[in-house]
Amino acid sequence: DAGVIQSPRHEVTEMGQEVTLRCKPISGHNSLFWYRQTMMRGLELLIYFNNNVPIDDSGMPEDRFSAKMPNASFSTLKIQPSEPRDSAVYFCASREEGAWVNEQFFGPGTRLTVL
Amino acid sequence: LAKTTQPISMDSYEGQEVNITCSHNNIATNDYITWYQQFPSQGPRFIIQGYKTKVTNEVASLFIPADRKSSTLSLPRVSLSDTAVYYCLVGDRNTGFQKLVFGTGTRLLVSP
Repeated sequence: DAGVIQSPRHEVTEMGQEVTLRCKPISGHNSLFWYRQTMMRGLELLIYFNNNVPIDDSGMPEDRFSAKMPNASFSTLKIQPSEPRDSAVYFCASREEGAWVNEQFFGPGTRLTVL
Repeated sequence: LAKTTQPISMDSYEGQEVNITCSHNNIATNDYITWYQQFPSQGPRFIIQGYKTKVTNEVASLFIPADRKSSTLSLPRVSLSDTAVYYCLVGDRNTGFQKLVFGTGTRLLVSP
């Protein structure tokens, strides 16, 4: 398996623009997580899905952020409108639900820069 | 969710054993202790998980005392490539470990 795939790897945009980050989880994994990492705040969980259903979005910063998982093999995280403070590395991770090991598989991340 | 506390940074030299201790005083009965490793410009990677006593795999050992209020990740004979941030997490197996809370982690620097 190719692991968790994220695109784009780098994104530079201007304030006010819409940004869409994409994630393809590992096949067979039915839990998907979106994280954001910054130097100031560390690694934060934004939202996670079980079987394509959002379970906990309490980490989503505000209404400008939205996430969807239309099927088991694809998820998006959208920021509209983007702001400079959204600059961070965004990670997607997937996990096999029910596994007794607390192992999430992380993608390579998307480095977002909002000017 | 149990809060974890670990040193912000540690320094070591190649070939030495490194022990990173994590405190989790309010750990619950169903909580398991998990450690992740993160290299620069990469996502975190699972290292090891345990509930009590000692767990060992090809990468590390995890020591958990009887009261489970702390745990120690042991890296034998570190190399330069072990330079990374190490995170200690506590999660409830009964809820499927769904909500991982990564603290600040311990930044390990291994020098020649």
